[in-house]
Order: sequence, then structure tokens, then C-alpha cells
Amino acid sequence: DTGVSQDPRHKITKRGQNVTFRCDPISEHNRLYWYRQTLGQGPEFLTYFQNEAQLEKSRLLSDRFSAERPKGSFSTLEIQRTEQGDSAMYLCASSFAQKYEQYFGPGTRLTVT
Amino acid sequence: GDSVTQMEGPVTLSEEAFLTINCTYTATGYPSLFWYVQYPGEGLQLLLKATKADDKGSNKGFEATYRKETTSFHLEKGSVQVSDSAVYFCALYSGGGADGLTFGKGTHLIIQP
Repeated sequence: DTGVSQDPRHKITKRGQNVTFRCDPISEHNRLYWYRQTLGQGPEFLTYFQNEAQLEKSRLLSDRFSAERPKGSFSTLEIQRTEQGDSAMYLCASSFAQKYEQYFGPGTRLTVT
Repeated sequence: GDSVTQMEGPVTLSEEAFLTINCTYTATGYPSLFWYVQYPGEGLQLLLKATKADDKGSNKGFEATYRKETTSFHLEKGSVQVSDSAVYFCALYSGGGADGLTFGKGTHLIIQP
């Protein structure tokens, strides 16, 4: 069990650029979640997948945010036309369906200049 | 909607002191409750959980009891160590709607030798 991994760990981009983050869940987990954490706050839920199906996306922050999990394994989170307010830590977590424990990756820290 | 309220930090204690970090919640139905810990430079780790009223979660000397009557899940430890210095997050999962965890803002704990 290698845990949840995320890539890259840090990303610096200029305002207006697109960025994509990758998450690899624990291999036997079929649920995958994305959260955003800003300084001094707890993680904020964005979206989740069960296998390849995205079952909740109403919490995505704007239509600039999108996520995919094409084969039910790894997932990507894309932010288009980044803004300075998008600077945050983006966390991925995974779990078994029907179990509640979510295991988190180390996060990708995004800085928009 | 669901919400979690934690005591404000930082909380500074001496080694071997007794620790309590308060957590109260508002949720629909009967949520599951969690404490996560974030050590400096590391990702979120599940510390303990409780899935129904009067359950006690415990791990690494930490305990928390699910109190439905007071909607609380306070974290306690009898004798803290310097290595317990971290940010602690209380979270709930109610499964109603979004299916993500709802987190509190976190409590920064500093243990002095």
C-alpha cells in the first residue's frame, strides 16, 4: 500500500494560464475525492468519483474547474484561466465505497502570480 | 447545511499536560465523526473516528466520544508530548447530498518541552 500520491507537489503559474493536477489513489479504493484548502482553513470539498463516474460536481468553485477519472484509476483536476484567488493547496483523497474513512495525499500547492 | 466548529488556536501546552480540543457540529441525520491530524510538512492523517452515538474513537493515546445530545466530539489526551505538535481537524460525514467530508478550521497545537 503506497498511499495516495499527487503530482506535482508544487506549481507556480501566471494568471490566465491553465493548470492540471494528477492524483493516484490507493489501488483498491474506488472512490476518489478532491478538496481545496486555503491558509488557516479546513479542506473544502469540491467533487468526487465512484469508479469513473463523477457523482457530485456542484461544489466545484466555478466552471473553470473540471475533473476527470477516465478509467476509474487516477484522476486529474484542471483549472482554466487561473486567477490569484485560486492559490491554495489542492488535496486528493480516496476510500472504499460504503466505508467512510478517506485517506489523503500530500497535496499540490498552487501559486498564481 | 453541515458545519463543524472547533476551538480557536493556537493552543500551547507544556509536555505531559492534559489536552482537550473542543469540537461541535451541525448536521442532518446521524453523521460519522472524525479527527484528522496534519504534522508540519505532511498531509492529513486520520487520527480516529466514531460512527454512532456514544462510540469512543481512540488512537495513539487520543480519545473522542460521539455525544449526540450535545452534538460534540471533543478530542482528549491525558499526557501530551512535543511530537503531538500539529494542526488537528474535526470533520463529519453525513452522506446527505455532496458526499464529501465537512471540516472545521483546524486547531494548531504547540507542545513545549
